[in-house]
Amino acid sequence: GESVGLHLPTLSVQEGDNSIINCAYSNSASDYFIWYKQESGKGPQFIIDIRSNMDKRQGQRVTVLLNKTVKHLSLQIAATQPGDSAVYFCAENPYYNKLIFGAGTRLAVHP
Amino acid sequence: DTGVSQNPRHKITKRGQNVTFRCDPISEHNRLYWYRQTLGQGPEFLTYFQNEAQLEKSRLLSDRFSAERPKGSFSTLEIQRTEQGDSAMYLCASSGDTGSEQYFGPGTRLTVT
Repeated sequence: GESVGLHLPTLSVQEGDNSIINCAYSNSASDYFIWYKQESGKGPQFIIDIRSNMDKRQGQRVTVLLNKTVKHLSLQIAATQPGDSAVYFCAENPYYNKLIFGAGTRLAVHP
Repeated sequence: DTGVSQNPRHKITKRGQNVTFRCDPISEHNRLYWYRQTLGQGPEFLTYFQNEAQLEKSRLLSDRFSAERPKGSFSTLEIQRTEQGDSAMYLCASSGDTGSEQYFGPGTRLTVT
């Protein structure tokens, strides 16, 4: 079946370093992907999205890379800050209706 | 605040009771989605509406679950005869007609004792 998964369940980084969170997806027909950030007790917060006609998209301190050949997504966070500590999910939206999420990666930022 | 809102934020109920949750989407959004999230997992899709029409329901949505969006604005999710396995965070999201950029509310945490 369709699934979106993550390579690393927990990522620990030092404040100021760059973070890279990876994600694999299985539906080769998917053409729209989103990264969400979820803090404890809160709903997922939209970070950045990318469509399959792009391989890179940049936001404020974040970059999403899409490799359709190997069905892989990554989220890069520059100059990671303590406020970036959260669980990060990639989600697939193959038909532009329901989102298909993976289990998430916890990012822990240490001073 | 013009984001998605959900009420109540927390609900504790005894097994067998009925519960109802409410979601108010971003005002200009025509689509409204319900998801369920258990600890350590990503959200799982339950159902979605385009205006007042319920367009898709997941197999997760058993016959004890019903969702409505009668006027195409707010939505309610009712769970009848709650079971301990229903304990989860129930999330609502909304989007425009394209279905992209779904924005989530804070969720309703349900605990069934």
